[in-house]
This record gives sequence, C-alpha cells and structure tokens, in this order.
Amino acid sequence: GQNIDQPTEMTATEGAIVQINCTYQTSGFNGLFWYQQHAGEAPTFLSYNVLDGLEEKGRFSSFLSRSKGYSYLLLKELQMKDSASYLCAVGDNFNKFYFGSGTKLNVKP
Amino acid sequence: DTEVTQTPKHLVMGMTNKKSLKCEQHMGHRAMYWYKQKAKKPPELMFVYSYEKLSINESVPSRFSPECPNSSLLNLHLHALQPEDSALYLCASSQDGSGKNEQYFGPGTRLTVT
Repeated sequence: GQNIDQPTEMTATEGAIVQINCTYQTSGFNGLFWYQQHAGEAPTFLSYNVLDGLEEKGRFSSFLSRSKGYSYLLLKELQMKDSASYLCAVGDNFNKFYFGSGTKLNVKP
Repeated sequence: DTEVTQTPKHLVMGMTNKKSLKCEQHMGHRAMYWYKQKAKKPPELMFVYSYEKLSINESVPSRFSPECPNSSLLNLHLHALQPEDSALYLCASSQDGSGKNEQYFGPGTRLTVT
C-alpha cells in the first residue's frame, strides 16, 4: 500500500523560516511533488524532486532522500499569504499519484 | 497557457438527476485526471486517462462515468448520486501519465447532492 505522512498543522511567524516534513512508503517511486492549496482553491504546483538533494526555487526549497523515504519543504521569509495547506505527493510507477493529508500552515504577524 | 478550466463551478443535484462535469486543457498534455476532495482531506484519485484511454479506475462506483472525447477534453457523467458524493471534484492534467510530471489542476466543481 501507500503511506505518506505529514504533520497536520504548523504555526510560524511572518519573516521566519519553516520546514514541513514528509515521509513516504510507496510501492514505486517516480518523484515527489509539493503543492500549495489555499482553502477552497485548487492545488498549485510548487516543486518536484526525483533525485536526492535540494532543489531551490526562490523562497521555497525542497529536499529529498530516497533511501530514507523523506522529503521536506522549506519556506523562507514567510509572508501572510503563505498561510495555506501544503501537500506532499508521490508519483509511482503505475501512473498513480498519491497525496499526503496535507499540513496546514498558519503564518502569524 | 497553463490553465485547466472546469465547468460548472458549482452544481446542486438531486439523487435522481443526471449531470456532467466538464474539464478542458490546451497545454498539449496527454494525461488527464479526476480527483474527489472532501473538506480538510487531500485529493483522492478517481480516474486517469492516458493518451485518451482510461488507464486507471480506482474502484469508483459506476454512478460516476468518465469520458475523454479528445486529448483536450475530459467529462465526468453523474447519475443516481448519493449525498455522501458531495465534494469538490478536481480535474488535472500532466504532460504524460508517467508519474514524473507535475499536474496542473483546474479550479474544481463544488458538487452538492440533495
């Protein structure tokens, strides 16, 4: 089966750095994706990792360790608009795409 | 154009009605997906079309019937739904169905079954 775990909720302060972790156990692996979803809206793509290491995209970075089944999303210089749910998702070898339950991030002034 | 469009935005239907949800993309993507999302839950995969052929059906009840008329369009036909089918239905597309490409999501159709 597929198992993707993330913390349910996190709170951080505007301007700070926050790290959202994701662990996964899946029957196949073709990459790990991070999505942002504001309440009532569709998910929007943030990052993709298929090889071990860190991918940086502006204020957002994502890290992957395939041997540990572990990823994190790092958000720097937090802004109020970053308050949203962050979904970790894994693409497997069979055209399937599995989402974690999401981490609700609350950014406070 | 990186947009996936869905119509309608909202739909209220009775349990005996027949309705259809529509999705369209013009990015040349060859894989399209239907997801169901309940409040405060992640999206759950329902169907995958790859090169206009149904490649995955995640044991979805037959009251949901997908259709892919061409590479740009995806429909979801609804019939005899139950109140528990009320949810946000998301359409997505990706370059192909390999699991290696990001998916682009439409804004969703919020469905209420009465």
